[in-house]
Amino acid sequence: QKEVEQNSGPLSVPEGAIASLNCTYSDRVSQSFFWYRQYSGKSPELIMSIYSNGDKEDGRFTAQLNKASQYVSLLIRDSQPSDSATYLCAVNSGGYQKVTFGTGTKLQVIP
Amino acid sequence: DGGITQSPKYLFRKEGQNVTLSCEQNLNHDAMYWYRQDPGQGLRLIYYSQIVNDFQKGDIAEGYSVSREKKESFPLTVTSAQKNPTAFYLCASSEGLAGFQETQYFGPGTRLLVL
Repeated sequence: QKEVEQNSGPLSVPEGAIASLNCTYSDRVSQSFFWYRQYSGKSPELIMSIYSNGDKEDGRFTAQLNKASQYVSLLIRDSQPSDSATYLCAVNSGGYQKVTFGTGTKLQVIP
Repeated sequence: DGGITQSPKYLFRKEGQNVTLSCEQNLNHDAMYWYRQDPGQGLRLIYYSQIVNDFQKGDIAEGYSVSREKKESFPLTVTSAQKNPTAFYLCASSEGLAGFQETQYFGPGTRLLVL
């Protein structure tokens, strides 16, 4: 069974620090990876997608992908209290029905 | 403003009742999806549709039904056969290219509660 694993947290970081969120996946044929942010009671909002090994940066966010290790991470630099949310990792191993979501990591940024 | 709308925001279901959740998108996306989210669990796929008049069961389709008569609309009916319907229901859409880079965007969700 295809799985996407995330530490449920909460991960607590002080304001201004780097938050590191991790995700591992089991399906080796997975080709695309997504990070969503979900505030309490709200729907998931796409933050980043990454398809190739290495780093992809967008503002304060950096996604890192290592397909050999089946590992994808999200770094949030200069963390702000407004970053406090649950971060969902999603993995697409091919087509419509092949997107698997992790259970999410709850991030708390302490002012 | 392009986006996905879901209504109602909250829905209460009585025992034995069928209820319908609305999902509309004006993104011109071909593909639409329904997910269910329970506390501590990842999103689980209920149904998806690649094109009008076609839809496929997801992982947890039992007790649910859908229709796709228009490209913009993908309503979900929670039938009385669904014994544990209390959850947060999320509608999503994507361009419909069916490739690995298919990106899903979510509506605001409907919270269904049982009376």
